[in-house]
Amino acid sequence: KQEVTQIPAALSVPEGENLVLNCSFTDSAIYNLQWFRQDPGKGLTSLLLIQSSQREQTSGRLNASLDKSSGRSTLYIAASQPGDSATYLCAVSKAAGNKLTFGGGTRVLVKP
Amino acid sequence: GAVVSQHPSWVICKSGTSVKIECRSLDFQATTMFWYRQFPKKSLMLMATSNEGSKATYEQGVEKDKFLINHASLTLSTLTVTSAHPEDSSFYICSAPWDTGELFFGEGSRLTVL
Repeated sequence: KQEVTQIPAALSVPEGENLVLNCSFTDSAIYNLQWFRQDPGKGLTSLLLIQSSQREQTSGRLNASLDKSSGRSTLYIAASQPGDSATYLCAVSKAAGNKLTFGGGTRVLVKP
Repeated sequence: GAVVSQHPSWVICKSGTSVKIECRSLDFQATTMFWYRQFPKKSLMLMATSNEGSKATYEQGVEKDKFLINHASLTLSTLTVTSAHPEDSSFYICSAPWDTGELFFGEGSRLTVL
């Protein structure tokens, strides 16, 4: 059974600092991995999707890497801003369009 | 990206009543949709997979008679919480896969059972 772990569970940084969020999964036979952002009481916003054949994806200040063989992904957020404060979730899928298995999330607070 | 819409975004009901939550894919068709439940400060737990034109597939431990799922069309899935009790209070979120395999999520529906 796939298990996804995110470390740390919570993170507090001053504005401007780079953020590094870690995600690990036990079964490397994944199809893709997604990173999401969730604001309190809200739904999920998809940030980045990495296919299993890819090593990284970038969107603006966000960069996500994937090391499938070791079961790890890292989300980097450069030059953090208070608006980046949210919970970040990673999730993996075994097949295209298939259900996702989520990690526990990392709660991020960026202090002005 | 694709848009998935949920309604209502929040609902308060009395214990013993039933509540229906709708999940719509607004600009694409989805033969499959997924329903998740989220407890406060916890991650998402998959409840069931909704299949258009056939029965939903429930995850282990999820009562199918309590959580009725209907996927009536390629753009609509509904979750009905029957005879709701306070322990059913939670945040329910649906998702649908797009052509790329990427999953898009609705805004979530917060249910409070009094």
